[in-house]
This record gives sequence, structure tokens and C-alpha cells, in this order.
Amino acid sequence: KNQVEQSPQSLIILEGKNCTLQCNYTVSPFSNLRWYKQDTGRGPVSLTIMTFSENTKSNGRYTATLDADTKQSSLHITASQLSDSASYICVVSGPLVGGSQGNLIFGKGTKLSVKP
Amino acid sequence: DAGVTQSPTHLIKTRGQQVTLRCSPKSGHDTVSWYQQALGQGPQFIFQYYEEEERQRGNFPDRFSGHQFPNYSSELNVNALLLGDSALYLCASSLVGSGYEQYFGPGTRLTVT
Repeated sequence: KNQVEQSPQSLIILEGKNCTLQCNYTVSPFSNLRWYKQDTGRGPVSLTIMTFSENTKSNGRYTATLDADTKQSSLHITASQLSDSASYICVVSGPLVGGSQGNLIFGKGTKLSVKP
Repeated sequence: DAGVTQSPTHLIKTRGQQVTLRCSPKSGHDTVSWYQQALGQGPQFIFQYYEEEERQRGNFPDRFSGHQFPNYSSELNVNALLLGDSALYLCASSLVGSGYEQYFGPGTRLTVT
């Protein structure tokens, strides 16, 4: 069964600190892996997208890594800010179908709270 | 450049009723996907529309149906509402051939009482 598991479920850190969120998946075949940031009650916003051939991708203070062999990814947040408080969702896509993304499998997300 | 828009923002319905949610894709996009997100859960894929046809479907009953119009906007219809249908319904748009990038709308919060 295609699954995406994220850990930890929730995390509280102090402003300015770094943190790393984990994502393990069993989706196969695999096309790409994405990290989204979702504020409460809002739609997800894309942070990074990586194909199986990419090991790392950065977007400002966000750096995602991917190990396609072990089917693991991580999202590292550097120098956290209060505005980083949100849910971070790992999403894995199967192969493209007719040029469009296949069925996206979403993790349940990690709820990050950044405290002053 | 308008992003993905959804209406209404919030909706309260009674069990057994029917509901229609609407989505306008990001300018230049031609594909619309719908997702259901229960509280504390990740979004679940409902279906995807392209060229006014359903191209892919997730594991949702036939009570969930959709439509895409010639201007690429889309509707999600849910019949015979159940309490368990209460969720945030997200619409995402993309451009066929681009493969990877989907842009999400703000969602419609549906509450079934």
C-alpha cells in the first residue's frame, strides 16, 4: 500500500533555532516528492519539489533532502521565525499520467510551533 | 496574475442535503484536482479534471461528482451528505505537461450537522 509517514507529529522550537522534519514513503513507482507548508485553515503552499534524481533542494531557509534508495526525505528549517509556525506536509507522486501528475499521496503533516 | 480561487469560503449543511463547491484555476492552468482534508489529516485525492473529463479518481464514493467547464473552472458536488463529509475541500490547478507543480486554493470549509 502506498503510504507517506511523517515524524514527528508535532514539534515546538524556540525562535532562531533549527529543526528537521522527517518523511518516509512506500510509494512505488515514484515520480517526485514535494514539501508543502500549510497554515491553519488555508491551502498548502509548495516549498520544494524533487525528482528521484535530486538529492537536495533549497528554498531560502528551507532545505529538503531526498534519498530515493531508502525512500526517505527530510526538511530542514534554518533560523526559525514565528511565521514558520504551520503544518509541513510531505507529498509523494506516482508516475506522470498523460503529462500530468499522478495520484498524490499526502502525509498527515508535522505541526510546527515556533515560540518567541 | 490571479491564483486559485474557491467559493464559498465556509458552508454549513444538514445531513442528507447536497452541496456544490466551486473552483477557478490559476490563470493559464487547464487541470483541476480536488482534495478532501479532514481535521488533523493530510489531504485525500478525490479526482482530477482535464478537458472537461474526469481523468483520475481517488477512493471516494459516487456521491462525489464533479464537472469542468470550457473556461477550466470546476465544480465539486456531494450528494446525500454525511457527518463524515465535514472537512476542508481543496482545489488545486496545474498545467498539463508541466507534470509537477500544483497550486492550491484557500479551500472551502464544509460543516455537516
